[in-house]
Amino acid sequence: DAGVIQSPRHEVTEMGQEVTLRCKPISGHDYLFWYRQTMMRGLELLIYFNNNVPIDDSGMPEDRFSAKMPNASFSTLKIQPSEPRDSAVYFCASSPGTGGSSSYTFGSGTRLTVV
Amino acid sequence: QKEVEQDPGPLSVPEGAIVSLNCTYSNSAFQYFMWYRQYSRKGPELLMYTYSSGNKEDGRFTAQVDKSSKYISLFIRDSQPSDSATYLCAMSRDWGAQKLVFGQGTRLTINP
Repeated sequence: DAGVIQSPRHEVTEMGQEVTLRCKPISGHDYLFWYRQTMMRGLELLIYFNNNVPIDDSGMPEDRFSAKMPNASFSTLKIQPSEPRDSAVYFCASSPGTGGSSSYTFGSGTRLTVV
Repeated sequence: QKEVEQDPGPLSVPEGAIVSLNCTYSNSAFQYFMWYRQYSRKGPELLMYTYSSGNKEDGRFTAQVDKSSKYISLFIRDSQPSDSATYLCAMSRDWGAQKLVFGQGTRLTINP
């Protein structure tokens, strides 16, 4: 099992550009989560999906952020246009839905820098 | 006020010391409490989880929950340099809940 796979590992982009982050969850996991981690705010939930359907997007900071899950094995988080304050580490996590709150598996994250 | 408060540290202790990490929370509905460990440039990994009040021990690690005080702790005995990481507490309202609320994380360094 390769775990949760995120790409790219690092992304440096200029302000105003579109950024797309990608995630492949663990096969068989019904839930997928996008988190953002910064020194100031810690780990914040942006959005999560159940069976490819967005359940709670209340953490998405603003309309510049969008997330999709076209199938059970792939999700994207898009920022358009990007701003320097979006610089953070973005994590994807997945869960099988059983085993409750203890069953999250995180990816290694994408470190985004917007200059 | 954040739902979960955790001192970000950093905390630096000598090898072999007992380490105490703590979180406080404001939402009395939280019943499931977790500790995650995050190594540099990696995602968080579940270390321990507990339900309601009480203690749980796993090797050198002990998790403690005091719901009356809305306070949770993680103790590390005989700390090792390999324990150097960021430790995050997390909480949820029920077992089926998929939405976790995390603390900010405490950065811990164990010095040889």
